[in-house]
Formats: sequence, structure tokens, C-alpha cells
Amino acid sequence: DIQVTQSPSSLLASLGERVTITCQTSQSISNNLNWYQQKPGQAPMLLIYYATSLQTGMPSRFSGQYSGRSFTLTITSLEPEDIANYFCLQHYSALTFGSGTKLEIK
Amino acid sequence: EVQLVESGGGLVQPGSSLKLSCVASGFTFSSYNMHWIRQAPKKGLEWIALIYYDSSNKYYADSVKGRFTISRDNSKNTLYLEMNSLRSEDTAMYYCARGGYKEADYWGQGVMVTVSS
Repeated sequence: DIQVTQSPSSLLASLGERVTITCQTSQSISNNLNWYQQKPGQAPMLLIYYATSLQTGMPSRFSGQYSGRSFTLTITSLEPEDIANYFCLQHYSALTFGSGTKLEIK
Repeated sequence: EVQLVESGGGLVQPGSSLKLSCVASGFTFSSYNMHWIRQAPKKGLEWIALIYYDSSNKYYADSVKGRFTISRDNSKNTLYLEMNSLRSEDTAMYYCARGGYKEADYWGQGVMVTVSS
């Protein structure tokens, strides 16, 4: 099974700050990784698919990059509505998930 | 608008059975593979089952193989998860999610299953 290591597990950031979350996979998965946002009591929402493509309707302050087995989600300028849990999903072989990052306001 | 609505969860005793449903709307259900994914309390997300759009193939995580069965009724736009021989470690929020090109692009809000005596 492909393991996905996500960091950090929690993050305190200020409004307007640039935020970066990382997922590292145990083997190469090309670009087969998605990023999601989940708010309490709500369904997860797809933010980024195939590592770099912004899902329709999602704000352009969200972006994804990757290099080798390392994947990053960046929020260029944190907004109050971005407070949520974020997780990644690799879909190269079966589906395995990162452990999540809880993003809070400093 | 794509919607997935799960139902059928609840509190059950170890060893018992439960059947979850996921009703889909807003897209051509019969054209998409579908997943079940779960999250135990204070734990990470775990994929548990996949069914192809035409039910031709089904795949399971080792943790549920032989106990859970995924199925679908395309005439009713409904996905199912039949869970037998439930264990305490099956306690989790269960989500259905749409498969396809983007994989898991839409999720339901989830349904809670608690296995406890």
C-alpha cells in the first residue's frame, strides 16, 4: 500500500498569511493526488485534483504543486472562511489518505 | 448540483448487521464508479470499497473483505453497503464518494455507525 505522510497536523496562522501544507508519498504516484477541505459537520470538498488543477468554483488563492513524491497545498492569503481541516488523497493505487491538517487562526 | 445523501447508520451490537444507502442526484449515476470511505473517531480516513459503474467489478479493503458488500441499483440512483459481523473497530463515520476521472470529487455528509454493546 502507498503511505501518505501529511504535515503539519495542525497549523496556527494569521489572516492574510501564506499557508503551506505538505503530503509525501511512500512511492511515486505521478500527479495522482487530490486536496480537500472539510469543515465540521460538512462533506469534504475537492479543492485541487491531479496535484495542480483547481476544482471549478474554488477560490484562486488555493493552489497545488508537486515535485517527485512531495506535494504541497498553498493558500496565498488566508481568509476567515479557510478555517477547516485539510487532507490529501492519493489515487494512483487504491485510495490512501493523509492524516489531515487542522488550520486555525492565530 | 451533485448531491450524495447517506442513510441507515445507527447504534448496533457487535456481531450484528447494518445496511447503508447513498442516494445520488445531479449527475448520471450509472456512468460513475462509486466508493465507500470511513473515518473512525480521532482517526484518519480509510477507503473501504469501490464498485464500478456497471457493477462489473468490486474491490474491498482487507479490513472489511468478507464482511462488507458493496452494491448499487442504477435504476434507483442508489449505492449500498451491507455490513455483517460488525466489530467495535467498524465504529466510524461512513461516506460515499463519486469516483471517475477526478476520483472522489464529491462526497456525502456521512452517516455514523456505532458498534457497541
